[in-house]
Amino acid sequence: DVKVTQSSRYLVKRTGEKVFLECVQDMDHENMFWYRQDPGLGLRLIYFSYDVKMKEKGDIPEGYSVSREKKERFSLILESASTNQTSMYLCASKLLANYGYTFGSGTRLTVV
Amino acid sequence: AQSVTQLGSHVSVSEGALVLLRCNYSSSVPPYLFWYVQYPNQGLQLLLKYTSAATLVKGINGFEAEFKKSETSFHLTKPSAHMSDAAEYFCAVSYNFNKFYFGSGTKLNVKP
Repeated sequence: DVKVTQSSRYLVKRTGEKVFLECVQDMDHENMFWYRQDPGLGLRLIYFSYDVKMKEKGDIPEGYSVSREKKERFSLILESASTNQTSMYLCASKLLANYGYTFGSGTRLTVV
Repeated sequence: AQSVTQLGSHVSVSEGALVLLRCNYSSSVPPYLFWYVQYPNQGLQLLLKYTSAATLVKGINGFEAEFKKSETSFHLTKPSAHMSDAAEYFCAVSYNFNKFYFGSGTKLNVKP
């Protein structure tokens, strides 16, 4: 089975800190995605990448950046964490020609 | 903008009763359609997908969904609810296999 691993299940960070959320997939998927999930809002796409060193903004990229130096790893960076970035962050990957995502278990980030 | 509407943020059924979770999309072009399930503290898992083949799609755990172009709907059903079906369910659409648009989710509660 394809596995998407997010390095932390729970994180607590202080306002203004630089935060790195890591995601690794083990099935050579081209496409990787970062979503945030908030109650009543569903999942909103932050950034996605369809190849190494390639990235595209999603619907809510403000306050975030990403890095994809290797095919299997896609990092989400909060340059200066703020309390409104407290959320559940979900990473996903998929094959270019496949139809569905495989999701990681999520990272619940609290910014205090 | 493309959107997905899930009617009812919370649905409660008795064990053994019919499950019906509603999803409508807004587009004149039929999209690819998906249902995902999220159990507590986990990522999202693909239940089923519609990709322009048969309009009635069968998924895992006894769920199925029917694509109705005239109604722009893709409702999820299960004839008999089980306690283990309690979870949050997300409908999603995609037009190019890259960006997915998710609904806001429906939490299913199953009463004994």
